[in-house]
Amino acid sequence: SQTIHQWPATLVQPVGSPLSLECTVEGTSNPNLYWYRQAAGRGLQLLFYSVGIGQISSEVPQNLSASRPQDRQFILSSKKLLLSDSGFYLCAWSDTSGSFGTQYFGPGTRLLVL
Amino acid sequence: GQNIDQPTEMTATEGAIVQINCTYQTSGFNGLFWYQQHAGEAPTFLSYNVLDGLEEKGRFSSFLSRSKGYSYLLLKELQMKDSASYLCAVRDSGGNNRKLIWGLGTSLAVNP
Repeated sequence: SQTIHQWPATLVQPVGSPLSLECTVEGTSNPNLYWYRQAAGRGLQLLFYSVGIGQISSEVPQNLSASRPQDRQFILSSKKLLLSDSGFYLCAWSDTSGSFGTQYFGPGTRLLVL
Repeated sequence: GQNIDQPTEMTATEGAIVQINCTYQTSGFNGLFWYQQHAGEAPTFLSYNVLDGLEEKGRFSSFLSRSKGYSYLLLKELQMKDSASYLCAVRDSGGNNRKLIWGLGTSLAVNP
């Protein structure tokens, strides 16, 4: 069966500091991978998605970036965090064949920028 | 434009039935999803509809009418653990079919 991991679970960072969040998927090959942010009381905002190694599509211009160095690894980064970057960051994967494009989410990382 | 509408909040009683509606206006359509999200947790997949009609899965059922741009999630025999946010999402079509367009969610409170 497939599993998706995210770490860390929670993070408190000062404004202007760098960020690196990691997501890995097990039990599947060549998944589509997604990064979402969910601000308090708000909906899911798609930040980036990837259909393969090194292929990143950005949905919202911002100070965040994403990379996919390996097939089942997806990294979200920032060089300098802003207060507005606080939120619940969710990684998700979907199968590229079958499953109707259902997205399955990791446990999430709660980021607080102070 | 792309738009998905859901009620913000709903309240129901344990043991009762509740229907959560979702209407959508999207440029493309390739399926509709319902997810459940408990407070502080990640969303979990509940159901998928791509053809008109009702899909039943235990206590949960989901209905779709593509001509009306309308879906609902029906929860029967409500339990306290069903208190959560319910998210409706539409899969885009064509070159954007890898992406989901998300509603803001309906927060359901189940009271004893």
